[in-house]
Amino acid sequence: ETGVTQSPTHLIKTRGQQVTLRCSSQSGHNTVSWYQQALGQGPQFIFQYYREEENGRGNFPPRFSGLQFPNYSSELNVNALELDDSALYLCASSRVAEDTQYFGPGTRLTVL
Amino acid sequence: EDKVVQSPLSLVVHEGDTVTLNCSYEVTNFRSLLWYKQEKKAPTFLFMLTSSGIEKKSGRLSSILDKKELFSILNITATQTGDSAVYLCAVGSNTGKLIFGQGTTLQVKP
Repeated sequence: ETGVTQSPTHLIKTRGQQVTLRCSSQSGHNTVSWYQQALGQGPQFIFQYYREEENGRGNFPPRFSGLQFPNYSSELNVNALELDDSALYLCASSRVAEDTQYFGPGTRLTVL
Repeated sequence: EDKVVQSPLSLVVHEGDTVTLNCSYEVTNFRSLLWYKQEKKAPTFLFMLTSSGIEKKSGRLSSILDKKELFSILNITATQTGDSAVYLCAVGSNTGKLIFGQGTTLQVKP
């Protein structure tokens, strides 16, 4: 069974740039959720995708957007990067309507 | 506003000690409570609890939920240095998202 994978591992960007983060879900899982984890904090829910559509969104501005593909992999796009976007971005996959989510290793984004 | 609060925020113990981590919550449409261990980056799943009073165990770790008082505890007995990590509590609701606490950092000294 293949676990959740994410790429890239690390990323450094400057303010105002755009970034795309990628996630492959665990085999057998059809739902992908994205979380932002600032240093010393718990993960904060960004949004969830199911059947290629957004299925719930947290308190994040529209410059955070996503996609899910037919193979259940997903992308997180962030436009107009701000310094406060520096964080660990975690992707988690699950089966629809199941609460247990399995996390990938994350992408560490640094915005300078 | 939904919230999950963990205590203590950090803890230092010695190998062999027993620790108890706490998690209280106020979440609309509660469905489950989950515990994760985060060592480097990826939180790894430990337990999911949905019913009050039923203890879940895995080796030296155990957890229980009290849905009346809205809290859960995670116990670790005979701690080892490998238990050093951040322990995250999360609540699942019918929205599909997990609402996390800020985590408890556990350091186990030899």
